[in-house]
Amino acid sequence: NAGVTQTPKFRILKIGQSMTLQCTQDMNHNYMYWYRQDPGMGLKLIYYSVGAGITDKGEVPNGYNVSRSTTEDFPLRLELAAPSQTSVYFCASSYYDRADSYEQYFGPGTRLTVT
Amino acid sequence: TQLLEQSPQFLSIQEGENLTVYCNSSSVFSSLQWYRQEPGEGPVLLVTVVTGGEVKKLKRLTFQFGDARKDSSLHITAAQPGDTGLYLCNNNDMRFGAGTRLTVKP
Repeated sequence: NAGVTQTPKFRILKIGQSMTLQCTQDMNHNYMYWYRQDPGMGLKLIYYSVGAGITDKGEVPNGYNVSRSTTEDFPLRLELAAPSQTSVYFCASSYYDRADSYEQYFGPGTRLTVT
Repeated sequence: TQLLEQSPQFLSIQEGENLTVYCNSSSVFSSLQWYRQEPGEGPVLLVTVVTGGEVKKLKRLTFQFGDARKDSSLHITAAQPGDTGLYLCNNNDMRFGAGTRLTVKP
């Protein structure tokens, strides 16, 4: 299994440009998440999905959109990039099959710079 | 939503020293995960603790879950430079503590 894969690894955007960060998992996990991590900080939840066709906002959703058309894929869309969105973006997945199970598996991250 | 507090925020020690980091909440955890994030990488799951008073060992790492399930600790024995990283706890709420950033100097 490849686990969670993310593309691209690095990207530089100009202010106002748009892009989609790709995330794919091959573990048949039902839950998927997007986090951002600013330099020297912890993880902030942007959006999450509990299954195909179902998404919900996390702590910092403004400026982002997501979709979940399949179990495997959970792309994150930035519509009008702003310098405040410069960060490292991590996608994660988990198999929520018990009342108390949120063990997450993370991708390697996408490092985004907006200038 | 449970607020997770991790301490200390930063820790810098010499190789061979022992250390303990903490994860606390005012509410009861249903269970708790510990992750380690090495520089430039994504977080990696280390352990899940579920039962109050539970102790789990992973080589030189010892994880303990408080009896009341409101706190957890991670103890590292004889730290090595490879232990350097950000240690994060997560309480089944998709939200993480701010983490403890550990540096082990050779």
